[in-house]
Amino acid sequence: DQQVKQNSPSLSVQEGRISILNCDYTNSMFDYFLWYKKYPAEGPTFLISISSIKDKNEDGRFTVFLNKSAKHLSLHIVPSQPGDSAVYFCAASDTARQLTFGSGTQLTVLP
Amino acid sequence: NAGVTQTPKFRVLKTGQSMTLLCAQDMNHEYMYWYRQDPGMGLRLIHYSVGEGTTAKGEVPDGYNVSRLKKQNFLLGLESAAPSQTSVYFCASRGTAKSETQYFGPGTRLLVL
Repeated sequence: DQQVKQNSPSLSVQEGRISILNCDYTNSMFDYFLWYKKYPAEGPTFLISISSIKDKNEDGRFTVFLNKSAKHLSLHIVPSQPGDSAVYFCAASDTARQLTFGSGTQLTVLP
Repeated sequence: NAGVTQTPKFRVLKTGQSMTLLCAQDMNHEYMYWYRQDPGMGLRLIHYSVGEGTTAKGEVPDGYNVSRLKKQNFLLGLESAAPSQTSVYFCASRGTAKSETQYFGPGTRLLVL
């Protein structure tokens, strides 16, 4: 049973527009959430994170929103750039600091 | 700093052969992890270590063994490779008990025929 779900395997967005990537989780014990970005033939790289005590965290063009009651988080990229084209993984951390990953969303930013 | 490195980058094995994947980190991190990534799935935890000399099982440990004899190295072994172990393997490390972020290596692509 998947505890972290990314229901959209792919997303295409026009350059300059907003990209919104979604993630749902089922385990109430998750207390920290991370987004990783992965280019082909490379390892995942950390992008942005949020603690469960917050509902928003912003870093430049990237903002993560957390809705605890809905067990939902989203990553907003504004404005989207062609270099943002990659697979984005949502991950959730429990009290043991183990990460549970979603299956990823392939973002394609069209020039 | 090289960060997290993995050796080899790519390997082809025949069913029943054995091999060891090496992960090294130069960040003096306490925690190290081995994951596998398969198409359409996220990264799944195979084994992890909370410090030199310690290892523990993750979500999918069967068919793998690990060792952490030195703090900077974490080895993943396949004693008798099976086609189901064809995957991309990622190593990651994390600094302390309070740090949340794991840092990943570039991956090892393994094909078992």
